[in-house]
Amino acid sequence: DAGVIQSPRHEVTEMGQEVTLRCKPISGHNSLFWYRQTMMRGLELLIYFNNNVPIDDSGMPEDRFSAKMPNASFSTLKIQPSEPRDSAVYFCASSWEAGNLRYEQYFGPGTRLTVT
Amino acid sequence: DQQVKQNSPSLSVQEGRISILNCDYTNSMFDYFLWYKKYPAEGPTFLISISSIKDKNEDGRFTVFLNKSAKHLSLHIVPSQPGDSAVYFCATGGSSNTGKLIFGQGTTLQVKP
Repeated sequence: DAGVIQSPRHEVTEMGQEVTLRCKPISGHNSLFWYRQTMMRGLELLIYFNNNVPIDDSGMPEDRFSAKMPNASFSTLKIQPSEPRDSAVYFCASSWEAGNLRYEQYFGPGTRLTVT
Repeated sequence: DQQVKQNSPSLSVQEGRISILNCDYTNSMFDYFLWYKKYPAEGPTFLISISSIKDKNEDGRFTVFLNKSAKHLSLHIVPSQPGDSAVYFCATGGSSNTGKLIFGQGTTLQVKP
C-alpha cells in the first residue's frame, strides 16, 4: 500500500487566498483525521471523520476552516481566506475502527503551508 | 489545559545506552496509549502501544511501561542507535470510545555515535 497520500507537499500563498489541502487515506481504513502542527501548540486534531461522517470538529479553529470527505478515498481541508497565522504543517492520518476496537493511526507526509 | 504532557523537550544519550522518554497524563480514565516517532519532513509513525490492562509491552528494542497509579508512562529504547534520533510523541485515545488521539508536545531524542 502507498500509505496516506497528501498533496501538495508545500504550499505558499498570499494572505486572503483560498487554500485546499488534499488527502487520500489508506484503502480499507474507515477513519480519517486532519491535524495541524505548530511550534506553539504542537500536534492538534482539527477534525475527525468516521465512515465519511464528521464525528468531532471541535478542533477546527474558526469558520475559515472547512473539511469534507465526499467518499472513503478522498478528503479536503480548505482555508478561506487564509491568514499568516495559518502557517503550519498539516497532517492527514487514517485508521481502522470497529466497535470498541481501535487501531493506530497512519500519517501522511504532511503539507507545509506558508501564508505570507 | 494539556491532558498529555511530555515535560522534557529534549534528551541526548550515547549510542548503546538506554533512552528513557517520559509522559504524564491527567485523567485516570484514559485507557489506551501510544508512542509515535517523527523524523524531519515526515509524518509521525506508530511505534508501540499499550492498553491500561497491561503495565508493560515490549517490541524488540522498544518497551513501554505504564504506571496507572502515577498516571505515567515511559518508553525505553535499549540499546539506543543513532537512527533512533527523532521526535517522540506520546498519545492517548482518552476515555472516549473513538479513534481520536490526544498528543503530547513531543521529546526530541538525539543519540550520539
